[in-house]
Amino acid sequence: DIQMTQSPSSLPASLGDRVTITCRASQDIGNYLRWFQQKPGKSPRLMIYGATNLANGVPSRFSGSRSGSDYSLTINSLESEDMAIYYCLQHNEYPFTFGSGTKLEIK
Amino acid sequence: QVQLKESGPGLVQPSQTLSLTCTVSGFSLTSYHVSWVRQPPGKGLEWMGVIWTGGSTAYNSLLKSRLSISRDTSKSQVFLKMNSLQTEDTATYYCARDRAGSPFDYWGQGVMVTVSS
Repeated sequence: DIQMTQSPSSLPASLGDRVTITCRASQDIGNYLRWFQQKPGKSPRLMIYGATNLANGVPSRFSGSRSGSDYSLTINSLESEDMAIYYCLQHNEYPFTFGSGTKLEIK
Repeated sequence: QVQLKESGPGLVQPSQTLSLTCTVSGFSLTSYHVSWVRQPPGKGLEWMGVIWTGGSTAYNSLLKSRLSISRDTSKSQVFLKMNSLQTEDTATYYCARDRAGSPFDYWGQGVMVTVSS
C-alpha cells in the first residue's frame, strides 16, 4: 500500500500568516493527490485536486504544489474560517490512502 | 443536486454485524463509483472499500475478511456490511462519490456507529 506521510500533525498559526502542510508519498502517485478540509462534526470538503487545482468555491488563498514525491498545501493570509484539520489523499491506486491529518489552530 | 445520505443503527453490540445504507440522488450508480470511508473519534480517515459502476468491489486488505459492499441500482442505494465488530470499529462512517481520477467530490453527512454492549 502507498503510505502518505503528512506533516506537521499540529500547526499553530496566527491570522494573516502563510502556512504550508506537506505530504510525502512512498511511491510515485503522479498528480493523483487531493487535499481535504474537515471541520468539527462535518464531512471532509475537497479543496485541491490533481495536486495543484483549486476545487469549486475554494478561496484563492489556497494553493497546491508538487516537488517530486512531496505535495504541499499552502494557505496565504490565514483566516479564522481556515482553522480545521487538513488531509491529503492519494488516489493513484487502490487502496486509496489518506495522510494522518494536520490540525491548523490559532496560536 | 448531488446528495449522499448514510443510515443505520447508532449502536451495535460486539461480535455483531453492522449494516449501513447509503442512499444517493443526483447521479447514477452506474455512472459513478461509491466508496465507504470511516473515521474513529478524534482520529484520521480510513478508506474501507468501493463498489464500481459495473458492480465489482475492492476492499481495504485490513478489512477484507469482514467487509461486504453491495448495491441496488433501482433504489440508488449502496450497502455496507461488516461482521465481527469490535470496539475499535466505533467510528463515523461516510459514503462518498467516486470516479476514476476524481474521487470523493461529494460526501454524505456520516453516521456515527458505536460498538458497545
